Amino acid sequence: DTGVSQDPRHKITKRGQNVTFRCDPISEHNRLYWYRQTLGQGPEFLTYFQNEAQLEKSRLLSDRFSAERPKGSFSTLEIQRTEQGDSAMYLCASSLGGRVTLHFGNGTRLTVT
Amino acid sequence: AQRVTQPEKLLSVFKGAPVELKCNYSYSGSPELFWYVQYSRQRLQLLLRHISRESIKGFTADLNKGETSFHLKKPFAQEEDSAMYYCALTPNTGFQKLVFGTGTRLLVSP
Repeated sequence: DTGVSQDPRHKITKRGQNVTFRCDPISEHNRLYWYRQTLGQGPEFLTYFQNEAQLEKSRLLSDRFSAERPKGSFSTLEIQRTEQGDSAMYLCASSLGGRVTLHFGNGTRLTVT
Repeated sequence: AQRVTQPEKLLSVFKGAPVELKCNYSYSGSPELFWYVQYSRQRLQLLLRHISRESIKGFTADLNKGETSFHLKKPFAQEEDSAMYYCALTPNTGFQKLVFGTGTRLLVSP
């Protein structure tokens, strides 16, 4: 499968712990996006990279959240001092250029207990 | 502000019946509209986009700027159409992030 891959698929953590998720986009895609989806809602935009530059961040992304794409390939999303409200599905997507189809990964489901 | 509204959480129809999944949007400019679909245990994927004006898997969607709607239609539903459907828009200027609706689950019964 040469699509977008995310790791891990599931993460259960205790409140206050830090977690990190990884996303590997489709190899030639220069744009990478992070979305969050909670139960009963559609995906909500968190942040986006063009190559290694983080170009936009949503107000949803508090100071506890940080995302990187150090070499313009894979990306990591870290959540520090997790809270129960962080429980959600975290989706990664990639695209080639702008205004074209987003290709989504299977997501990482985070449960904070 | 950009907003997408999908008023129905669940739409249940019988096989062979027509289907219409409603989508309304609010945006001051001229957005680009999409329908994304998520089948059971699969990833979210693009179904169709309004600028393509194409029919995918028998589905069509027409952008009505006067009513700010982008309803998804299929004349004869199939069981394999059962899935979660999300309407989304992106502005046609600046950064083109996708804004999603809350989704409609389509259940097609035999």
